[in-house]
Amino acid sequence: EAGVAQSPRYKIIEKRQSVAFWCNPISGHATLYWYQQILGQGPKLLIQFQNNGVVDDSQLPKDRFSAERLKGVDSTLKIQPAKLEDSAVYLCASSLFRARIPYNEQFFGPGTRLTVL
Amino acid sequence: KQEVTQIPAALSVPEGENLVLNCSFTDSAIYNLQWFRQDPGKGLTSLLLIQSSQREQTSGRLNASLDKSSGRSTLYIAASQPGDSATYLCAVRLDAGKSTFGDGTTLTVKP
Repeated sequence: EAGVAQSPRYKIIEKRQSVAFWCNPISGHATLYWYQQILGQGPKLLIQFQNNGVVDDSQLPKDRFSAERLKGVDSTLKIQPAKLEDSAVYLCASSLFRARIPYNEQFFGPGTRLTVL
Repeated sequence: KQEVTQIPAALSVPEGENLVLNCSFTDSAIYNLQWFRQDPGKGLTSLLLIQSSQREQTSGRLNASLDKSSGRSTLYIAASQPGDSATYLCAVRLDAGKSTFGDGTTLTVKP
């Protein structure tokens, strides 16, 4: 079974530029998550999708971050414009959704390491 | 707001030692708790998932326990090996579905 795929693996941009990350979850996983992980800290949830609907985006800086999950499969996360403090690893995860057990084991992709200069 | 704490932040042990990693959380209305390991520069690898109705889960040399009333989970690693060196993270999921992570414990197992 293929895991969660993410691209690119690394990205270096200058502040005020824009950047986009792509995620392809495990086949059949209806729930998709984007996390931000700053060095030395645990991941922080940015946004959670159930199919193509947003379940939680309370910690997403909506003035500069946006995310979409068209057709309930792939997802993109965009930052525009980027700030120095956005330097972090952006992790995508997915999990199975079942009516009787809606929240299951999360599986993570390798992440995208973003450096903002 | 759920807060998750992992103490100690770093731990160094000799090979072969049994060890316990701790995860504390403030809101006991949890749905499940998941333990991960993270190797430098890599994503997170799932180790164990404990549902709120369970007390423990085991996988090989790993055993995770959950005590909701005291807001604690422990990850027990038996007969540690140098390959166990990594950062171990716990994620606590509330009934509403959102997960909160601790900052992890970085484990070094010396040969």
